[in-house]
Amino acid sequence: GNSVTQMEGPVTLSEEAFLTINCTYTATGYPSLFWYVQYPGEGLQLLLKATKADDKGSNKGFEATYRKETTSFHLEKGSVQVSDSAVYFCAQDHNTNAGKSTFGDGTTLTVKP
Amino acid sequence: GAGVSQSPRYKVAKRGQDVALRCDPISGHVSLFWYQQALGQGPEFLTYFQNEAQLDKSGLPSDRFFAERPEGSVSTLKIQRTQQEDSAVYLCASRGQIDTQYFGPGTRLTVL
Repeated sequence: GNSVTQMEGPVTLSEEAFLTINCTYTATGYPSLFWYVQYPGEGLQLLLKATKADDKGSNKGFEATYRKETTSFHLEKGSVQVSDSAVYFCAQDHNTNAGKSTFGDGTTLTVKP
Repeated sequence: GAGVSQSPRYKVAKRGQDVALRCDPISGHVSLFWYQQALGQGPEFLTYFQNEAQLDKSGLPSDRFFAERPEGSVSTLKIQRTQQEDSAVYLCASRGQIDTQYFGPGTRLTVL
């Protein structure tokens, strides 16, 4: 079945460090891929998405590239800020079933000044 | 415009009580989803509506869980005879014409 596996956390970085959070998926067909962010005390927010192979999603300095050959969608940011501290979820849409999403378990990022 | 809203934000129930959780989607959004998020885990799909039709309820964990969306807008998730394992955050999301789901803040249910 469809699944999403993401890098276990928690991840602690110093401000301005480089961030990578790994995400791989298994799917039948060609799902859309997403990264969501959940700031403390808030709901899930879409961070970025990619709908087909080799697409790159980007937002707020974060990027992720849809890699069909490695079934991956790793999240990267060149220089993290304290305000990036949050929980990050990788997800895929089941495009054959009305777009319900399958999520990874989340990676908690803490950025220290 | 307004986003997805959910109420109540927090609910404490005694084991065996019935609860009802409300979701107000973004106006005009046809699709509505319910997810359950246990502590430390990602959201798990419960059920999906397209307008008033419940097209997929494969994620509902038992027949104690029931969802409705009678007029194709507001939706209610009802849990009968709550158990401790029902404690979780219940998320609602709505979607318009494109594939982006917009999530509400969730209802945190604690069953004592």
